[in-house]
Amino acid sequence: GESVGLHLPTLSVQEGDNSIINCAYSNSASDYFIWYKQESGKGPQFIIDIRSNMDKRQGQRVTVLLNKTVKHLSLQIAATQPGDSAVYFCAEGTGGYNKLIFGAGTRLAVHP
Amino acid sequence: ETGVTQSPTHLIKTRGQQVTLRCSSQSGHNTVSWYQQALGQGPQFIFQYYREEENGRGNFPPRFSGLQFPNYSSELNVNALELDDSALYLCASSFGPGGRTGELFFGEGSRLTVL
Repeated sequence: GESVGLHLPTLSVQEGDNSIINCAYSNSASDYFIWYKQESGKGPQFIIDIRSNMDKRQGQRVTVLLNKTVKHLSLQIAATQPGDSAVYFCAEGTGGYNKLIFGAGTRLAVHP
Repeated sequence: ETGVTQSPTHLIKTRGQQVTLRCSSQSGHNTVSWYQQALGQGPQFIFQYYREEENGRGNFPPRFSGLQFPNYSSELNVNALELDDSALYLCASSFGPGGRTGELFFGEGSRLTVL
């Protein structure tokens, strides 16, 4: 689903800890999954993606896990930094790679 | 290489009015998608333009319309504005409608407030 109202769930972590942000996606037929980061006043910024024929993909300090059985996606951020503070959205590709369905978002707050 | 630029950044309209938002795609990109992001929510797909034609549409009424120009820039038009149209309108460009989704680049959006 895409709408949960005005109050985003918030994940608070200490600087240097690992963060895990979870997402339940909606369409079993989606074949492309993406994580975006959105800072205040800016547009979404691509972090990492994964195709449906994979269950794990790693980037720089980030890992995405895909569990198609339960339609679950997670983003792991290693050694979280203050600059990682933002709202994180998962998105799924359906009916074409660029016609994305976004999740509701999770706010990540990193404390020194 | 220039990124996606949108204008205006902020605007205020009243119910019933019409609005036009503009987007210049990233250099080398020929496809533009528009998304609506209500406060505290994820972006929702409005429509996509490729080769100056609409190439897919989300669940938005016909009063949301668009254009794409030969230089790949695009406009989003909303007629008969309603209070619920208040949102951040995001433009995203890519090379081709079927390209890797990761190469969808977003602008910083146009914040529309309808009073």
